[in-house]
Amino acid sequence: GESVGLHLPTLSVQEGDNSIINCAYSNSASDYFIWYKQESGKGPQFIIDIRSNMDKRQGQRVTVLLNKTVKHLSLQIAATQPGDSAVYFCAENMSEDSGGSNYKLTFGKGTLLTVNP
Amino acid sequence: ETGVTQTPRHLVMGMTNKKSLKCEQHLGHNAMYWYKQSAKKPLELMFVYNFKEQTENNSVPSRFSPECPNSSHLFLHLHTLQPEDSALYLCASSQAGQGSGYTFGSGTRLTVV
Repeated sequence: GESVGLHLPTLSVQEGDNSIINCAYSNSASDYFIWYKQESGKGPQFIIDIRSNMDKRQGQRVTVLLNKTVKHLSLQIAATQPGDSAVYFCAENMSEDSGGSNYKLTFGKGTLLTVNP
Repeated sequence: ETGVTQTPRHLVMGMTNKKSLKCEQHLGHNAMYWYKQSAKKPLELMFVYNFKEQTENNSVPSRFSPECPNSSHLFLHLHTLQPEDSALYLCASSQAGQGSGYTFGSGTRLTVV
């Protein structure tokens, strides 16, 4: 099976609430993780990333948490807005060689976030 | 614009047609990728080019033929496609060797009739 997966395929929240999207990964050698947002009719857009030497990183209204012990990644969106409605993908990036010159990104299926006004 | 431009945005082609998808990146990246995105499936990696050299062909049928004339341009030549090839085709670029994420284009929505 795929090494990156999502716990919930859909998530529906009320405007103003906080959203949490979860992701499990199976490759303990992965050293870099990314969250992407894909709106209808558009390509995936980078939201936030985190390296394996960190367990938390914050951006504007978004926070990514990394738990390497259980190989779990989450994206928290504060005060969710209708414009946040989209599919969210997590991705893991693992160097394919010891020199780190050839990285490969593996994506999960995605979670559809719907924000109700 | 994201820095990665794909044309056309939409394409309808018959099974006997030959067409090409184009991707151009303005980010100075040295790696480019083709992904296929079908409904309810993860993004499927098709081809990888590092420094214009194809480094990965993910068991893609020969009716898809990539071309990378330089580090800024990537093409996907299509011929004798099947209806199941209908999907969103996404191009991405990255700076290989830096463990960075990919920048995606908006994709070409392909319909094979």
